[in-house]
Amino acid sequence: QSVLTQPPSASGTPGQRVALSCSGRNSNIGRNYVCWYQQLPGAAPKLLIYKNDQRPSGVPDRFSGSRSGTSASLAISGLRSDDEAYYYCATYDDSLYGAVFGGGTKLTVL
Amino acid sequence: QVQLVQSGAELKKPGASVTVSCKASGYTFTSHYMHWVRQAPGRGLEWVGVINPSGGTRSYGQQFQGRVTLTRDTSTSTDYMEMSSLTSEDTAVYYCARDGRGSSDFADYYFDYWGQGSLVTVSS
Repeated sequence: QSVLTQPPSASGTPGQRVALSCSGRNSNIGRNYVCWYQQLPGAAPKLLIYKNDQRPSGVPDRFSGSRSGTSASLAISGLRSDDEAYYYCATYDDSLYGAVFGGGTKLTVL
Repeated sequence: QVQLVQSGAELKKPGASVTVSCKASGYTFTSHYMHWVRQAPGRGLEWVGVINPSGGTRSYGQQFQGRVTLTRDTSTSTDYMEMSSLTSEDTAVYYCARDGRGSSDFADYYFDYWGQGSLVTVSS
């Protein structure tokens, strides 16, 4: 059982915009920055978003993040077939004194 | 360019210990915290712990307290994760991941570079 809650699956068609959700509580998302990772099959996770809405250099602006209260969201616009992957949200938890992750959302591009 | 290169796959028996290494290059090793994250087969990501740049301070996930030890050798820019009393539940890919902040005083708990992963299999 993950500390952060993500829907297990999501889907979209090429060119579409999708939004992936991540919910937590005051001790984690409510007080700390959220980040998002993309994991392709057989690969290490890759940082997509940090500090709620910041993109590392090299990450396309098709990816955007937001946070409101105890929830966060990752939006992907102009969906492409190579966006098919698992997406994980993560943050720090003040009660657990460490990083926590969501269970991950498997995004399928139809 | 930043690189984190981890040691190879390990096969261990229940009750044994394992040490995974992570050699860093391409940046100032003593400017970043290093985290460890694991992923059991077909499962999500789980934070194991973090070590500060000098190697003097560590923090561990509650489920790993007393079983995991993080150390680092600043002379070789290498981090180590040792886990003891292994069970089949510890079978996973273990990743080292650099903290993105770049401070010797604080970690931001987002991971901007990851190692390639080291598979640890625990089986009798």
